[in-house]
Amino acid sequence: SAVISQKPSRDICQRGTSLTIQCQVDSQVTMMFWYRQQPGQSLTLIATANQGSEATYESGFVIDKFPISRPNLTFSTLTVSNMSPEDSSIYLCSVAGQNSGNTIYFGEGSWLTVV
Amino acid sequence: RKEVEQDPGPFNVPEGATVAFNCTYSNSASQSFFWYRQDCRKEPKLLMSVYSSGNEDGRFTAQLNRASQYISLLIRDSKLSDSATYLCVVNGAGGSYIPTFGRGTSLIVHP
Repeated sequence: SAVISQKPSRDICQRGTSLTIQCQVDSQVTMMFWYRQQPGQSLTLIATANQGSEATYESGFVIDKFPISRPNLTFSTLTVSNMSPEDSSIYLCSVAGQNSGNTIYFGEGSWLTVV
Repeated sequence: RKEVEQDPGPFNVPEGATVAFNCTYSNSASQSFFWYRQDCRKEPKLLMSVYSSGNEDGRFTAQLNRASQYISLLIRDSKLSDSATYLCVVNGAGGSYIPTFGRGTSLIVHP
């Protein structure tokens, strides 16, 4: 299994500011994803982070609000821009690929509260 | 129709009970199936993969029914520590690794 480190693990931010979340994997992975899970809700896929190219966003999510980088096969960042209280959520980095047999592994998540 | 559907519950059962969850999926081309467990305020963690031949791990048994497009999870001899949300995950349709999650089924095991 992959070991995924996310940071920050939690943060309290002022509205209107931006926060960048980092995701580091201990091995090269094919796929990296960013999810959001709002309180009491199910996981929602924000985007697939593509190495060396623009991320692929799901409906309802745009690059201006959630810019994503993936400079290599072990690292990605997600920025939550111009935050509002509605962005308060847990943001989860996950990985998958051929070496994991399609199994998805998650980082411990970044708990974000916007005040 | 949602791609992956689960009864959100909660299922409220006494210790020692047997409980079963089902999950239906809409994409018949799906290749991989999993059950994840998510504790409150924690990330989802893999519980078990689901194979066509079924899969058993201790008190947990998972089954796949491709004809009816559902997977199931059976928990025998429930423990208090089994209380969690159980997420059904499906992926691999058309060679895609992008997983589709159910909204989860909540289980509460009480003394």
